[in-house]
Amino acid sequence: AQTVTQSQPEMSVQEAETVTLSCTYDTSESDYYLFWYKQPPSRQMILVIRQEAYKQQNATENRFSVNFQKAAKSFSLKISDSQLGDAAMYFCAIYGNKLVFGAGTILRVKS
Amino acid sequence: NAGVMQNPRHLVRRRGQEARLRCSPMKGHSHVYWYRQLPEEGLKFMVYLQKENIIDESGMPKERFSAEFPKEGPSILRIQQVVRGDSAAYFCASSPPHVVNSPLHFGNGTRLTVT
Repeated sequence: AQTVTQSQPEMSVQEAETVTLSCTYDTSESDYYLFWYKQPPSRQMILVIRQEAYKQQNATENRFSVNFQKAAKSFSLKISDSQLGDAAMYFCAIYGNKLVFGAGTILRVKS
Repeated sequence: NAGVMQNPRHLVRRRGQEARLRCSPMKGHSHVYWYRQLPEEGLKFMVYLQKENIIDESGMPKERFSAEFPKEGPSILRIQQVVRGDSAAYFCASSPPHVVNSPLHFGNGTRLTVT
């Protein structure tokens, strides 16, 4: 079984500041992948970043980076230099034998 | 290369009617997943299909719901005798055979409203 927990229903950040979204997970799979997806009001699901569990190096994609702590089963997303366009619902997800999502965190960006 | 196409975008059904949601995966993708998203909630896995095979339907309600992915044509999620609780956004995602090399690509969803 796979579970994903996002303990922050809502977060706010000032434009140009940095924010970290939390995610913890559990899985019985030895080989798995972790993802962060963004869902703006348009409802489109947009892949933000992914991490292979066997890689120790944290993934980065421009202003987005993760802090992957495998022993703690933690996979947080850091957004640097936040922009208004970053406002959305963010979902953490794990893929072992299927993709399972957390409940999501609403990110609000203040100008 | 067109993305994952879902239609219709919006679907309104009266209680007791049938809803048919379609999903055309990206070209070259042979795996399809269906997810349901209730308002203010995350996406819940429903079913995972490959061409002509259901691989995992552990998230699918046992009654009234069915899914298929025929050799030719789109994947279909069918909901019979819809009830108000079926109102949600239904997302389809596709991937090539080895998802480790490619993340899931999502369609824009079908919003089902049951009146």
